[in-house]
Amino acid sequence: EDQVTQSPEALRLQEGESSSLNCSYTVSGLRGLFWYRQDPGKGPEFLFTLYSAGEEKEKERLKATLTKKESFLHITAPKPEDSATYLCAVQAGGGSYIPTFGRGTSLIVHP
Amino acid sequence: DAGVIQSPRHEVTEMGQEVTLRCKPISGHDYLFWYRQTMMRGLELLIYFNNNVPIDDSGMPEDRFSAKMPNASFSTLKIQPSEPRDSAVYFCASSFRAFSSGNTIYFGEGSWLTVV
Repeated sequence: EDQVTQSPEALRLQEGESSSLNCSYTVSGLRGLFWYRQDPGKGPEFLFTLYSAGEEKEKERLKATLTKKESFLHITAPKPEDSATYLCAVQAGGGSYIPTFGRGTSLIVHP
Repeated sequence: DAGVIQSPRHEVTEMGQEVTLRCKPISGHDYLFWYRQTMMRGLELLIYFNNNVPIDDSGMPEDRFSAKMPNASFSTLKIQPSEPRDSAVYFCASSFRAFSSGNTIYFGEGSWLTVV
């Protein structure tokens, strides 16, 4: 069974304090790994797709990286507006291509 | 593009009543998904359609839940009768060729359901 585990569940940072969120997965044949941002009262908003180990994507203060077993979402010098829940989803090959979502990491950035 | 549009945004209903949630996917998308999100279980896939045809409803919790997609621009999720444990946020999402090269799923703003 495909598994997606995100850690930590919650993270509190001071403004400017860089950190990383983790998404570890066990799937048979990765087709794609997705990162989403979810603000309170909103639907998940797409951030990145990663397809293969070694790939990196960047957007403003966010950088997503991928290895064969996990993905990291690095947040450099975060600002309060980066506060949100970050969701990871994994799409496996081999038949069922339905993405499996992790439980998310709730990030709060204090000014 | 207007994105995925859901209605109502908020619904409070009494136990036993019928609830109908509505969704308009992004034009041109051929996959439509219904998800439920709770604190306890996170984001769960309930059912998905491809070209208006239900493909997998194994996530639908009980026979009280049903979903339809009469055309490419409209879908409904119905709960009858509703129970307090159905209280959750229900998301509709759509995608173009969802299972091709990791294509992105786009979510609506959600319908917040409270059953009292």
